[in-house]
Amino acid sequence: DADVTQTPRNRITKTGKRIMLECSQTKGHDRMYWYRQDPGLGLQLIYYSFDVKDINKGEISDGYSVSRQAQAKFSLSLESAIPNQTALYFCATRSGVGTDTQYFGPGTRLTVL
Amino acid sequence: AQSVTQLGSHVSVSEGALVLLRCNYSSSVPPYLFWYVQYPNQGLQLLLKYTTGATLVKGINGFEAEFKKSETSFHLTKPSAHMSDAAEYFCAVSDSGAGSYQLTFGKGTKLSVIP
Repeated sequence: DADVTQTPRNRITKTGKRIMLECSQTKGHDRMYWYRQDPGLGLQLIYYSFDVKDINKGEISDGYSVSRQAQAKFSLSLESAIPNQTALYFCATRSGVGTDTQYFGPGTRLTVL
Repeated sequence: AQSVTQLGSHVSVSEGALVLLRCNYSSSVPPYLFWYVQYPNQGLQLLLKYTTGATLVKGINGFEAEFKKSETSFHLTKPSAHMSDAAEYFCAVSDSGAGSYQLTFGKGTKLSVIP
């Protein structure tokens, strides 16, 4: 089984709809991240969380919100989706120790019509 | 503040030829540097990383990278390209000094391997 899972893997929605993307991990890591990938722009950090009570904005948090329901679960919400939020979204995890690596989920492809 | 510049959004090499993907970084503190690979329709997988110690770092699938502080570079190389190396490659820098270990990514380089 994959260590970091994301649901759904693909989603098509309409402008103005509320969307939730979910991330779960079995690695036991404290730190979780949401990134957005657009072609030619690399990955940009939306939000990150060091534990269930510590949530921080990344570089492009406007229009997004998150919830850390448990150590293993970190959800990303689009309260009112707009077409320029069409992108590939990745969740990642990292242990809180030293220089450990970030481990990425398989991604969710979101299309907003 | 930190940033990453990857030179060349698309690189094509012949099978068996040298692969060289360029990455330059900017960081106000000693950097931690990473190369990730993304195969089509998949997430990112770590190829290799530099934190401290030896400046030549070896990774998976025959890739290696050398940290050159004087040149602020961390270029990725592989002596002989395989068809299976076709993917997008991302260089990233970690803000080690702030303790948050956030990754800042470059825009990516798509590698094509020509038979």
